[in-house]
Amino acid sequence: QKEVEQDPGPLSVPEGAIVSLNCTYSNSAFQYFMWYRQYSRKGPELLMYTYSSGNKEDGRFTAQVDKSSKYISLFIRDSQPSDSATYLCATGGNTDKLIFGTGTRLQVFP
Amino acid sequence: DVKVTQSSRYLVKRTGEKVFLECVQDMDHENMFWYRQDPGLGLRLIYFSYDVKMKEKGDIPEGYSVSREKKERFSLILESASTNQTSMYLCASTWARPSYNEQFFGPGTRLTVL
Repeated sequence: QKEVEQDPGPLSVPEGAIVSLNCTYSNSAFQYFMWYRQYSRKGPELLMYTYSSGNKEDGRFTAQVDKSSKYISLFIRDSQPSDSATYLCATGGNTDKLIFGTGTRLQVFP
Repeated sequence: DVKVTQSSRYLVKRTGEKVFLECVQDMDHENMFWYRQDPGLGLRLIYFSYDVKMKEKGDIPEGYSVSREKKERFSLILESASTNQTSMYLCASTWARPSYNEQFFGPGTRLTVL
């Protein structure tokens, strides 16, 4: 079993839709949860960072962590064509390594 | 702005060649990482370094080596390139341990081994 599982998509939605991206993880020791966004032909860049359980909101983006079910979510409200990218979840514990999901490709069409 | 640069965006090499991929960061970060990214497999850690001349194996170090002679520069070496090393290679850096601080990524090098 992979330590982090993520549906690869692709996910195609119309502009203005609410998008839900999800990951599950297996190690209950993971404490740090991140979402990276990767545009085509670019490196990933950090979008959201949460520690332990709960919600974090930043503009149109909300990151949610449910440690009881080992479930990580990213919600995008009022999605825009510029949100079209691959979204990677990542998590880590008390080591030097981050564990990345495989990424979900999102396409928002006008 | 943090900047992580990689020596080449695209590289084509032949089987058996020695390949050098270089990464430079300008933010005085202690930690540096090399990943490869493949469809369906995501980002996999090859090697990382948390100090000059220090290196640690990641999840898939076989067939690779690294060098960190200066704090800002981290090189990935393919001693004898093989076709299964065709991939996107990403370098990242971050401040002192632990590495769950934000990792800043370079633009990637797409390596094709023929």
